[in-house]
Amino acid sequence: DARVTQTPRHKVTEMGQEVTMRCQPILGHNTVFWYRQTMMQGLELLAYFRNRAPLDDSGMPKDRFSAEMPDATLATLKIQPSEPRDSAVYFCASGGRGVQETQYFGPGTRLLVL
Amino acid sequence: QKEVEQNSGPLSVPEGAIASLNCTYSDRGSQSFFWYRQYSGKSPELIMFIYSNGDKEDGRFTAQLNKASQYVSLLIRDSQPSDSATYLCAVNPRITGGGNKLTFGTGTQLKVEL
Repeated sequence: DARVTQTPRHKVTEMGQEVTMRCQPILGHNTVFWYRQTMMQGLELLAYFRNRAPLDDSGMPKDRFSAEMPDATLATLKIQPSEPRDSAVYFCASGGRGVQETQYFGPGTRLLVL
Repeated sequence: QKEVEQNSGPLSVPEGAIASLNCTYSDRGSQSFFWYRQYSGKSPELIMFIYSNGDKEDGRFTAQLNKASQYVSLLIRDSQPSDSATYLCAVNPRITGGGNKLTFGTGTQLKVEL
């Protein structure tokens, strides 16, 4: 059963601390997306990668957020330093190469910054 | 104007009725359209996608697309309490590949009442 996995599922941290979220895309998928979801803003695209190369990170606050894909099986999203306004659910999604491909979402990381 | 607009609801329908969920989009060049369902506390899951004008049916779900009016809808026949969720409309400007980013609406909350 191919799924996107994310760790941790929940994270509580204090303002100023570094937060690292990890994602393992579905094997064979070549595109990885990072989203943030809040009640106020809905689902926002932060960044995405194709074949491990960053394609668009315009939705991401550059001063504190960074996204990388060190290999085909791992994508990371880091926040340093974290702020209370970063509290949200962060989803990773992966997509394949086919004509009718779409994005498949991981279970999300629920982040609370105190 | 938002790129993808949905009525936030809640939309309440009685069990067994037809639920009609609507979505409009601003980019006339958009070519593929997706409906995701999201249960509270869970990640979005794909229900249907549609590329061509007209109707596409899958079980109790029918997606309808009208590119001239920039309008896409989702009909749920014989609504069940288990259909109660938030339904997200997403638009992809290119017809091929999940490798292209999706723009999501903020979702419509559906409540199916006994």
